[in-house]
Amino acid sequence: GAGVSQSPRYKVAKRGQDVALRCDPISGHVSLFWYQQALGQGPEFLTYFQNEAQLDKSGLPSDRFFAERPEGSVSTLKIQRTQQEDSAVYLCASSWGAGVVTEAFFGQGTRLTVV
Amino acid sequence: AQKVTQAQTEISVVEKEDVTLDCVYETRDTTYYLFWYKQPPSGELVFLIRRNSFDEQNEISGRYSWNFQKSTSSFNFTITASQVVDSAVYFCALSGRGNTPLVFGKGTRLSVIA
Repeated sequence: GAGVSQSPRYKVAKRGQDVALRCDPISGHVSLFWYQQALGQGPEFLTYFQNEAQLDKSGLPSDRFFAERPEGSVSTLKIQRTQQEDSAVYLCASSWGAGVVTEAFFGQGTRLTVV
Repeated sequence: AQKVTQAQTEISVVEKEDVTLDCVYETRDTTYYLFWYKQPPSGELVFLIRRNSFDEQNEISGRYSWNFQKSTSSFNFTITASQVVDSAVYFCALSGRGNTPLVFGKGTRLSVIA
C-alpha cells in the first residue's frame, strides 16, 4: 500500500480481555517498529523486527505483551489480560533500511482504551 | 542513556508569526541521528527531517528551517510565517547508529491562530 496501515483504529477492551493489533508496513520495508504513546507524551519504543526476526524487545513493559512478524511483512502486537495502564495509542513504523538510520514511516496508530 | 528534552509544552502564535521549537538532546554516542516529526490531529507521525551528528550545516526547506548546534546539544526547528495548517504536535527524536530505536521528546503542541 501507499503507507503504513494499522487496524483497528480504535479498540475498547474490558479489563482482562486479550487484544490483537495489526500493522501492515510499506511493501518491501525491512524494518518494523512498535511504539506506545500515552496521552500527552512522546512515543516510547516497544519492539523492533528486521524481516521476521525480532531483534529487540527491550521496551515491552511486561510478559503480557507479545509481538510477531512471521513472514516478514504484517506484524501483530498482542496484549493479554489487558489492564487500564495499557490504554494508549500504539504506533507502528516501517523503514526500508536495517535500522532507523533511514527515516521511519508511521501509521495512524490504534487507540486502545481499557475499561 | 539517550534523552531528548522539549521544554516547551504548548506554544500559541498568530498566523504569519515566526515560531521556534526547541530541542535539547543527551547522548554519549559520537555517531547519532536527530529527527523532527509532525503529528497532526489524525495521529500519524509525519517525517520532517533527519540529520546526522557529523553534519552541522543548517537546513532550510520552504518555510521550515533547522539549526543544529553540537556545542549546545540543540536541534531547534523554526517555522517562518506560520499558517493554521502548521497546528500540530511536533516531536524531536534521537537515535544511535544501527538498529537502535528512536527516543522521542514529549513534544510541543503548536497552535496557530488565524
